Amino acid sequence: QVQLVQSEAEVRRPGASVRVSCRTSGYTFTDYFLHWVRQAPGQGLEWMGWINPDTGGTKYGERFQGRVTMTRDTSISTAYMELGGLKSDDTAIYYCATSGADYWGQGTLVTVSS
Amino acid sequence: DIQMTQSPSSLSASVGDRVTITCRASQDISGHLSWFQQKPGKAPKLLIYGASSLQSGVPSRFGGSGSGTDFTLTISSLQPEDFATYYCRQSYVTPWMFGQGTKVEIK
Repeated sequence: QVQLVQSEAEVRRPGASVRVSCRTSGYTFTDYFLHWVRQAPGQGLEWMGWINPDTGGTKYGERFQGRVTMTRDTSISTAYMELGGLKSDDTAIYYCATSGADYWGQGTLVTVSS
Repeated sequence: DIQMTQSPSSLSASVGDRVTITCRASQDISGHLSWFQQKPGKAPKLLIYGASSLQSGVPSRFGGSGSGTDFTLTISSLQPEDFATYYCRQSYVTPWMFGQGTKVEIK
């Protein structure tokens, strides 16, 4: 069955960077775009961007431009989201999700605290 | 960006009640509307895609309707496991935009 398994929770200081991984299985990795969505504590869902696993092409949300980088490693069917210049309001659960069939990872909590 | 306006933000209902949640897009999204259910500590779960298609494995008491800019999620007979937060989302264009969410609570 299809699985998206994300990396474990992270704690970072303000100004640092964090990289979250999303390891996929059960489908052809290049068949679906991979989106990243985040959810701050008690808040709604916010789209961050996507990566095309086939070409590596990306599109980022305006408020993340210049701070986010999405990459992938097709040899291990894994996508990555790196967010830099972390601030306390980047504390959130970060999800990966496919286009099309809408498979979602379990989420990764990133806590930004001094 | 396409804005999604979801209402109500919360509601109280009893087991067996019929529940309706609405979502309005700021422009025509050609039916590219999905509904998700989210329980505390869990990832969103897809219920409805393409405005009215039931995701495999989702109970038939969930139904979606609408077109153009106006969409509805209906739960025909609320069950105890349905108490959760529900989100609509447009995927017609990026950025994906989600509604603000509707928290369904026990009356």
